[in-house]
Amino acid sequence: NAGVTQTPKFQVLKTGQSMTLQCAQDMNHEYMSWYRQDPGMGLRLIHYSVGAGITDQGEVPNGYNVSRSTTEDFPLRLLSAAPSQTSVYFCASSPDLLNTIYFGEGSWLTVV
Amino acid sequence: KNEVEQSPQNLTAQEGEFITINCSYSVGISALHWLQQHPGGGIVSLFMLSSGKKKHGRLIATINIQEKHSSLHITASHPRDSAVYICAVHGGSQGNLIFGKGTKLSVKP
Repeated sequence: NAGVTQTPKFQVLKTGQSMTLQCAQDMNHEYMSWYRQDPGMGLRLIHYSVGAGITDQGEVPNGYNVSRSTTEDFPLRLLSAAPSQTSVYFCASSPDLLNTIYFGEGSWLTVV
Repeated sequence: KNEVEQSPQNLTAQEGEFITINCSYSVGISALHWLQQHPGGGIVSLFMLSSGKKKHGRLIATINIQEKHSSLHITASHPRDSAVYICAVHGGSQGNLIFGKGTKLSVKP
């Protein structure tokens, strides 16, 4: 059972480049979400989805896009990378927020 | 003012000590989660609470809904417990988890 798989683990981007962080889960969870973690701050919600075809914005959505075409996959797209997007990104899934949340291992992104 | 406050921010303990980490929140909640983040970065869910108390091994989590407060206790602490412990509340609106900034615990042998 792979759980939540995030790729890539490390990435360096130049300002203005675009990229996609991949997230996949094999637990048939309806709820999936993306967070960023910055020094001195708690995890902050970027986007979330409560099922295939349904997405919504979190606390810090600007500069990011998501889609949920299948239950398993929830990719996060950086449209035009900025140094302010240098962060650690976590994908998570759960049946719903009243159950255990499973996190991916994190993706360290540096924008130069 | 942060909606979820954890204390202390940093905690150093000797192996074997009893440890308490506190979480206070200012919003109405449906559930509260305790998470553990190890130095390598991975985040693991420890507990989900909506009332009362839960125990798993040496870890105990309690919540007082009326006082808007939760505690995470570690009995007989061990150096492998060294990690950042994060409190997160589900505020009820769909998809909304609010996180504390975490408590960094270091247990010395």
